[in-house]
Amino acid sequence: DAGITQSPRYKITETGRQVTLMCHQTWSHSYMFWYRQDLGHGLRLIYYSAAADITDKGEVPDGYVVSRSKTENFPLTLESATRSQTSVYFCASSESFREKLFFGSGTQLSVL
Amino acid sequence: GENVEQHPSTLSVQEGDSAVIKCTYSDSASNYFPWYKQELGKRPQLIIDIRSNVGEKKDQRIAVTLNKTAKHFSLHITETQPEDSAVYFCAASMGTGNQFYFGTGTSLTVIP
Repeated sequence: DAGITQSPRYKITETGRQVTLMCHQTWSHSYMFWYRQDLGHGLRLIYYSAAADITDKGEVPDGYVVSRSKTENFPLTLESATRSQTSVYFCASSESFREKLFFGSGTQLSVL
Repeated sequence: GENVEQHPSTLSVQEGDSAVIKCTYSDSASNYFPWYKQELGKRPQLIIDIRSNVGEKKDQRIAVTLNKTAKHFSLHITETQPEDSAVYFCAASMGTGNQFYFGTGTSLTVIP
């Protein structure tokens, strides 16, 4: 599981600031995902990617931007952070279609 | 919209007893149903999964059943142990892409 890493582990920012969360995997998995975890809501899909330069929206994409110029990286950007985006963010990857997800260790983001 | 419902939200059992967690899904095209375990402060990890061409799958003390007609699936843990205490999430594939939608989680406590 050390093959997928997220940074930073913790982040505190202010409303209106731009924040980028990083995700890197060493397995060359085709698929990568961003989820946010909030009490009472479980894990909600923000964006996912099937390959480099192919991304698609999930359940809660508003306020977020993703890119995937290289297979191994899938950064998530909050263009103008809001307090409602305070959450734990998990990146995940899977080797192929509808297979096991491997999660990163998460980024705990607080927007003040 | 499409969603996965999970019950109960909390569950307490005596050590050695069985635990059952139930999920329902809305998309009749869903064909992959994984279960994840998340210990406190850790990342979610896959514990078992089932595909729509199978009605039941077992792995030691853990089993999953699927009823496609009723669109529900369940996780069964027998002979529970304190180390089974965690939050459990069900998930279902949705749509035609590689999207997974998660239930809201069940916090299982096994009382020694």
